[in-house]
Amino acid sequence: KNEVEQSPQNLTAQEGEFITINCSYSVGISALHWLQQHPGGGIVSLFMLSSGKKKHGRLIATINIQEKHSSLHITASHPRDSAVYICAAVSSGSARQLTFGSGTQLTVLP
Amino acid sequence: EPEVTQTPSHQVTQMGQEVILRCVPISNHLYFYWYRQILGQKVEFLVSFYNNEISEKSEIFDDQFSVERPDGSNFTLKIRSTKLEDSAMYFCASTLAGTQETQYFGPGTRLLVL
Repeated sequence: KNEVEQSPQNLTAQEGEFITINCSYSVGISALHWLQQHPGGGIVSLFMLSSGKKKHGRLIATINIQEKHSSLHITASHPRDSAVYICAAVSSGSARQLTFGSGTQLTVLP
Repeated sequence: EPEVTQTPSHQVTQMGQEVILRCVPISNHLYFYWYRQILGQKVEFLVSFYNNEISEKSEIFDDQFSVERPDGSNFTLKIRSTKLEDSAMYFCASTLAGTQETQYFGPGTRLLVL
């Protein structure tokens, strides 16, 4: 069974700061998702990664398959980035379900 | 932009009652999922559905749960006899080609079992 751990659990930053959220998993995966959950509960997909790095606007996601680790970076953070960020892994042996991390609550202060 | 919709947004039910949660996935998507999130806990996978059958299910998805695609658009989750511990937010999601691509989530149904 894949264990997906995120750190930190909570993160408070000042507007403009560079943010890093980390995700590690215990067994080999075929893909990893980064998701954003808004205060009302809705979930939006940010990235799906199987290797390397992806960038979308101020968001960058990286993954190191050998180290079983992924990071989500936010450059020039803004209060509207405040949300819960969740990573979810697709295990290599089970290609039809996601295993979710506990999420990182990010608060960006103006 | 196409989106996944879910109804109802909120449902309150008595323990032991049957509930049906409804989802309309994005129209050309082929893979459908149900997840749940108990308040304050992580999101958990329940079931995936492809080609009119369950492709994978978690240990949470026991005999009390069932899924169906009754027509070309709806995807439903039925809980036969609800328990207090079924109280959670239930999310539907769909993808065109499986878990190795972007998942589109619905807004969720908040279920409260009394």
